[in-house]
Amino acid sequence: QVQLKESGPGLVQPSQTLSLTCTVSGLSLTSNSVSWIRQPPGKGLEWMGVIWSNGGTDYNSAIKSRLSISRDTSKSQVFLKMNSLQTEDTAMYFCARDYGGFDYWGQGVMVTVSS
Amino acid sequence: DIQMTQSPSSMSVSLGDTVTITCRASQDVGIYVNWFQQKPGKSPRRMIYRATNLADGVPSRFSGSRSGSDYSLTISSLESEDVADYHCLQYDEYPPTFGGGTKLELK
Repeated sequence: QVQLKESGPGLVQPSQTLSLTCTVSGLSLTSNSVSWIRQPPGKGLEWMGVIWSNGGTDYNSAIKSRLSISRDTSKSQVFLKMNSLQTEDTAMYFCARDYGGFDYWGQGVMVTVSS
Repeated sequence: DIQMTQSPSSMSVSLGDTVTITCRASQDVGIYVNWFQQKPGKSPRRMIYRATNLADGVPSRFSGSRSGSDYSLTISSLESEDVADYHCLQYDEYPPTFGGGTKLELK
């Protein structure tokens, strides 16, 4: 069955770069698109960006200058890198299959930005 | 970007209630609205897709409807397991955007 799982550091210092990995199973990245979505504590969901099945990317304009999404299809992994982190980037970060409006989600990884 | 204005932000409910949550889209998004349920510490679960379609495994007491630019999620005969946060999503146009969420709390 389709599964996605996020991994990465739980704590990042301000101004540093966040690196997260989404490992997928039960689907091929060459025929499926994957988005990253985040949720600050007690707040709503924010779409961050997508890597399309053809390898192209689109980003939320609010964070586009800081964000990069890439993938390794041989390892079934999607990567998120976001630089210049601030405390307001503290959030749960999810990856989700971008099909039919996010039908499958990972469990999420909590990232705290703090010194 | 398309704005999804969700109401109410919170609701005090009783078991057996019929609950309706609404999202209003700032421009036409057609049928491309989903509803998600989210329990504490968990990822969102898609409940309704394309405005009115029940996702796999979702109980029939959940339903979605559309009236113009207003989209609604209705839960009939609320059960304890339905107490959660609910989010709407438009995915007609990128970037996809979510409503602000509705928190259901038991009276």
